[in-house]
Amino acid sequence: ETGVTQSPTHLIKTRGQQVTLRCSSQSGHNTVSWYQQALGQGPQFIFQYYREEENGRGNFPPRFSGLQFPNYSSELNVNALELDDSALYLCASSLTGQAGAVQYFGPGTRLTVT
Amino acid sequence: QKEVEQNSGPLSVPEGAIASLNCTYSDRGSQSFFWYRQYSGKSPELIMFIYSNGDKEDGRFTAQLNKASQYVSLLIRDSQPSDSATYLCAGHSGGYQKVTFGTGTKLQVIP
Repeated sequence: ETGVTQSPTHLIKTRGQQVTLRCSSQSGHNTVSWYQQALGQGPQFIFQYYREEENGRGNFPPRFSGLQFPNYSSELNVNALELDDSALYLCASSLTGQAGAVQYFGPGTRLTVT
Repeated sequence: QKEVEQNSGPLSVPEGAIASLNCTYSDRGSQSFFWYRQYSGKSPELIMFIYSNGDKEDGRFTAQLNKASQYVSLLIRDSQPSDSATYLCAGHSGGYQKVTFGTGTKLQVIP
C-alpha cells in the first residue's frame, strides 16, 4: 500500500507568479483534500475533490483552484501569488463512504513567496 | 468563534507522566474527531479517531469524547521525549468530508 505523495517538496516563487502543486492519493482512496498551514497555525481547509469534481471549499479566493484526475491524483493551482501564500501546503486522501472520514496526509510542499 | 479550540501550550510534563490534551468544538453536527501529531517541519500524522461517546484506547493513547459537553481529549500515558510535538485536534462535519482543525497544543516531555 503506497502512502500519499506530494511534489515538489520545496518551492520558491515571486509575488504575482503562478504555482502548481501535485498530490498522489493513497492507494484505494478516492477523495483528496488540500490544506494550507501557516507557521504556528492548524491546517486550513482549501477544498476537496471527489469524482473529479470540487466537493467543498473553504474560505479561499478563486485564485486557488484545483483538479482531480481519473487516477484520483490531484493538483492545486495558485495564481497571482501573494506574500501571505507562503505556507506548508498539505494534501490528504481519504475514502468517501468510509466511516469516520479518516484523512491521511502527504509530506507537504513548503511554498515560499518572495 | 473558532470551530475547534485548543490551548496552544506549551504543555510540559516529565518523562513517564500522563499528558492530557484537551479540545472543545462548537459545531454540534460534528460526527468524528481526530488527533494528529505533528513534528516541527513535518506533516500531521494520524494518532487516533473517535466517533462514539466514551473512551477509545490504542497502546499508550486514549481518546475521550463527550458530545454533550462538546469536548474531546487525548491522554498519553508513560510520556516519552519522542512524544514532544504539536498535537492537532480535528472534527468532521458537513455533507462532505470537511475536517476542521484546531491550532494545536505543543507538548514538551522533559527527560
